[in-house]
Amino acid sequence: GAGVSQTPSNKVTEKGKYVELRCDPISGHTALYWYRQSLGQGPEFLIYFQGTGAADDSGLPNDRFFAVRPEGSVSTLKIQRTERGDSAVYLCASSGVTGELFFGEGSRLTVL
Amino acid sequence: AQSVTQLDSQVPVFEEAPVELRCNYSSSVSVYLFWYVQYPNQGLQLLLKYLSGSTLVKGINGFEAEFNKSQTSFHLRKPSVHISDTAEYFCAVSEGGGSNYKLTFGKGTLLTVNP
Repeated sequence: GAGVSQTPSNKVTEKGKYVELRCDPISGHTALYWYRQSLGQGPEFLIYFQGTGAADDSGLPNDRFFAVRPEGSVSTLKIQRTERGDSAVYLCASSGVTGELFFGEGSRLTVL
Repeated sequence: AQSVTQLDSQVPVFEEAPVELRCNYSSSVSVYLFWYVQYPNQGLQLLLKYLSGSTLVKGINGFEAEFNKSQTSFHLRKPSVHISDTAEYFCAVSEGGGSNYKLTFGKGTLLTVNP
């Protein structure tokens, strides 16, 4: 597709469950980013990939959060033992040679 | 650490009126500055950015912003708004150099344009 694609667009889960959120970046973009946007807040940085490796994961809130990008394209954000406080919109972005970030529409996670 | 303050959480205006959305930042190093717009049910879209050079930056949809280093501000302006400008606007800052990917966002300003 032409833009950053995120699936699912909405996910409702129960406390304690495991969740995976997928991001398909713009073709050819080597950099990929995950942000989290809680209600009434601006997006907060989680992790940045350059190629297959996580160049900066300093924004991940704790070890329940993990992200991978095994082939340098699609990325998956994984959340273990979800908590109600994890409810938010998870945004993915990618960038190419210009450095401009292009954002997807986000995955809205609700933990009951 | 850097931070961004958007002084107004909501700004209602009438169509064709001018608007200014305020943004102040704090940082101990040189910064890059950005404004993003988020229309309902859509992703964030870059409106404009300041990296260096002229302090007056022009963006898409008739918006412009002025970087004021002494006041640490980057206010967004449009001389005449349209109904279609109704959206949430986010100011963001990043450090220059190798950390320029890590954006720190403000909480956003909801611009509502009324007929």
